[in-house]
Amino acid sequence: QQQVKQSPQSLIVQKGGISIINCAYENTAFDYFPWYQQFPGKGPALLIAIRPDVSEKKEGRFTISFNKSAKQFSLHIMDSQPGDSATYFCAAHTGGKLIFGQGTELSVKP
Amino acid sequence: DVKVTQSSRYLVKRTGEKVFLECVQDMDHENMFWYRQDPGLGLRLIYFSYDVKMKEKGDIPEGYSVSREKKERFSLILESASTNQTSMYLCASRLSHEQYFGPGTRLTVT
Repeated sequence: QQQVKQSPQSLIVQKGGISIINCAYENTAFDYFPWYQQFPGKGPALLIAIRPDVSEKKEGRFTISFNKSAKQFSLHIMDSQPGDSATYFCAAHTGGKLIFGQGTELSVKP
Repeated sequence: DVKVTQSSRYLVKRTGEKVFLECVQDMDHENMFWYRQDPGLGLRLIYFSYDVKMKEKGDIPEGYSVSREKKERFSLILESASTNQTSMYLCASRLSHEQYFGPGTRLTVT
């Protein structure tokens, strides 16, 4: 019940394309859903986050879509750029802790 | 800017050695966390601390202990390092729902 399942494990997208990463959860007590971005040699950093009373949040080229009834949320990266190449983690918050997904390694080809 | 620093970027230790990983944050956050990151497994919580001298087990505490004598410092201790503890170790501190990560320590146990 505490798991967050993330897919795909890796993703290759052409420059200008749309990158889509999906996450699913079971625990209805989760109350905050962030996405973290991690570049090689760095720690993860918060990219964008959403609360479950909102179905979509957009910040620049990054959008979270949230489907509460399906217990799924996804990250869309529009107009993907080589500089977006990184590992992305979804997460869910409960009780002061974050439960992380398995991670997606995104590679954007020029 | 929040800064979380970790004492070493790379560490090589022998099986059976006692290993100390140090983490310092400069934002007076009460909550601090230790994770290990392994490919395909995401970030898994080892231990966390809500306040000085307080600690809670995470999902994978076996083989680890922690110490928090000062608010800004949270140490992870491997009592007797084993090869299956070879991993990337990430420290984080928390403000509200957001966690701020250090750059990580890549530990190799031979």
